[in-house]
Amino acid sequence: GAGVSQTPSNKVTEKGKYVELRCDPISGHTALYWYRQSLGQGPEFLIYFQGTGAADDSGLPNDRFFAVRPEGSVSTLKIQRTERGDSAVYLCASSEGDMNTEAFFGQGTRLTVV
Amino acid sequence: AQKITQTQPGMFVQEKEAVTLDCTYDTSDPSYGLFWYKQPSSGEMIFLIYQGSYDQQNATEGRYSLNFQKARKSANLVISASQLGDSAMYFCAMREGGNDMRFGAGTRLTVKP
Repeated sequence: GAGVSQTPSNKVTEKGKYVELRCDPISGHTALYWYRQSLGQGPEFLIYFQGTGAADDSGLPNDRFFAVRPEGSVSTLKIQRTERGDSAVYLCASSEGDMNTEAFFGQGTRLTVV
Repeated sequence: AQKITQTQPGMFVQEKEAVTLDCTYDTSDPSYGLFWYKQPSSGEMIFLIYQGSYDQQNATEGRYSLNFQKARKSANLVISASQLGDSAMYFCAMREGGNDMRFGAGTRLTVKP
């Protein structure tokens, strides 16, 4: 596809369950970002990949959150033992490796923990 | 520490008027990029304009211009001739040398007819 694709678009899960959120970036983009956005707030940085490696994971709130990008393309954000406070829209973005280029965003995954 | 500050939670502007949305940033890196995004109620993030730290001229893209004051560390977005469709959340973002990108809290702009 031409844009960043995130699946699922919506996910409802029970407290304590494990979830995986997928991001398929624009082909050829080496940089990939995950953000979490709560209603009325700005995107909160979670993790940034350059290629296959996590260049900065300082935004991950705790060890229940983990993300991978094994082949430098698709990325998966994994959340263990979900809590109601994890409910938010999770946004993925990708860009070329150049610092001067904009990041393109997916439509997000709305996660609701009940 | 918050690196991007947007001090205006909400702004109102009359249709066809110009409006300035404020953004200040904090970095010690000499090389960085500043971005503005628009997020309508549909939720999509739309890139508007970019300014590099070494750019001599203020960036412009159609009705959008960026008032870049490097010494003050400010990068205000100016929207000219506001339209009803400009009503949305606006986010300022910065990418430093390490290439991660951080966002401010946003400003909700409402354009009045």
